[in-house]
Amino acid sequence: DIQMTQSPSSVSASVGDRVTITCRASQGISSWLAWYQQKPGKAPKLLIYAASSLQSGVPSRFSGSGSGTDFTLTISSLQPEDFATYYCQQANSFPQGFTFGPGTKVDIK
Amino acid sequence: QLQLQESGPGLVKPSETLSLTCTVSGGSISSSSYYWGWIRQPPGKGLEWIGSIYYSGSTYYNPSLKSRVTISVDTSKNQFSLKLSSVTAADTAVYYCARHFLTEGFDIWGQGTMVTVSS
Repeated sequence: DIQMTQSPSSVSASVGDRVTITCRASQGISSWLAWYQQKPGKAPKLLIYAASSLQSGVPSRFSGSGSGTDFTLTISSLQPEDFATYYCQQANSFPQGFTFGPGTKVDIK
Repeated sequence: QLQLQESGPGLVKPSETLSLTCTVSGGSISSSSYYWGWIRQPPGKGLEWIGSIYYSGSTYYNPSLKSRVTISVDTSKNQFSLKLSSVTAADTAVYYCARHFLTEGFDIWGQGTMVTVSS
């Protein structure tokens, strides 16, 4: 099984800050990684797929990078609507399965 | 635009079978290359993929749940369904249905439905 870890588990930041979240896979997953944003009581929203491809309609302040085992989600200038929990998800092992990371909560400093 | 909506009982007794349906509107469940999946999230916890199905009926399950899960599709009704047998309190969660294109992430989600396992 491919395990996913995320760091930090939570981060406090201010509007306008640059925020970076790291996701690590227990084995290489090429570029098959997605990032999601989830707000309380809502379904997750796809931000990034294939490690660095921006989903249609997602603001360009979100970007993703990485390949193999180490990946990064960057929010270049944090906006009020960006306070949420972010999850990474590996898709390399489909159809054997998908695995989500444990999440990173971004809250107001 | 494409929308997904989960439906089913919000309360299930321990040892019974949880049954949910996802209705797809604004598009066809038979669209080639798209898969349809179930994901769950226990209260206050992270996301867990349960399984996925292709419109042809091919199914793919999380190995940790495989012995208890059945996912099926009804193309005539534009629906797919989840059955999870022998439920326990650990199966209490919000259950989401979602669409994915092979390995490119789940791009469209239902709003989710809370299922509580309790006597």
